[in-house]
Amino acid sequence: QKEVEQDPGPLSVPEGAIVSLNCTYSNSAFQYFMWYRQYSRKGPELLMYTYSSGNKEDGRFTAQVDKSSKYISLFIRDSQPSDSATYLCAGAGGTSYGKLTFGQGTILTVHP
Amino acid sequence: NAGVTQTPKFQVLKTGQSMTLQCAQDMNHNSMYWYRQDPGMGLRLIYYSASEGTTDKGEVPNGYNVSRLNKREFSLRLESAAPSQTSVYFCASSPVGGGSGNTIYFGEGSWLTVV
Repeated sequence: QKEVEQDPGPLSVPEGAIVSLNCTYSNSAFQYFMWYRQYSRKGPELLMYTYSSGNKEDGRFTAQVDKSSKYISLFIRDSQPSDSATYLCAGAGGTSYGKLTFGQGTILTVHP
Repeated sequence: NAGVTQTPKFQVLKTGQSMTLQCAQDMNHNSMYWYRQDPGMGLRLIYYSASEGTTDKGEVPNGYNVSRLNKREFSLRLESAAPSQTSVYFCASSPVGGGSGNTIYFGEGSWLTVV
């Protein structure tokens, strides 16, 4: 079992929809959680970062961590075609300090 | 704004050949990484260098060697390429350990095919 599990999708939504992307993790030592966005044939780029449990909002994006259930979520409001990409969740901390463990990535397409 | 630069971008190798992927960062970061990305597997860490002069194995180190040549450069070597090493390779860097929340910056990727 991978330490971070993510539904690979693909997920297809109409423009303007609310998108929910989710991951589960098994390593209780994880304290840091990130969401990366990766466009086709490009390297991943950091989208959101949260520490421990709670919510963090940045524009149309909200990251949520529930450490009690080991659940990570990313919500995208008013989705745009430019949001079409692969979204990767990642966790780190404890003995893996300094190294991120990634989920498989979810392919998202937002169609006009 | 070069960031993380890796070469080559595309390479085809025959089984048993060797090659080195080069990576350089111009952000004065201490930590550097090599990841591979395969369909359905996500990004997996091959090797990690916390600082100049140190290297550490990641999740999938077998068949690879690394060299932290200086603070800027971190190379990945395939000594005897195998078809299972066909993948997209990403070099990355961060100010200190990425797990502390410091942003990890990725290069554009190197597409390697072993036939």
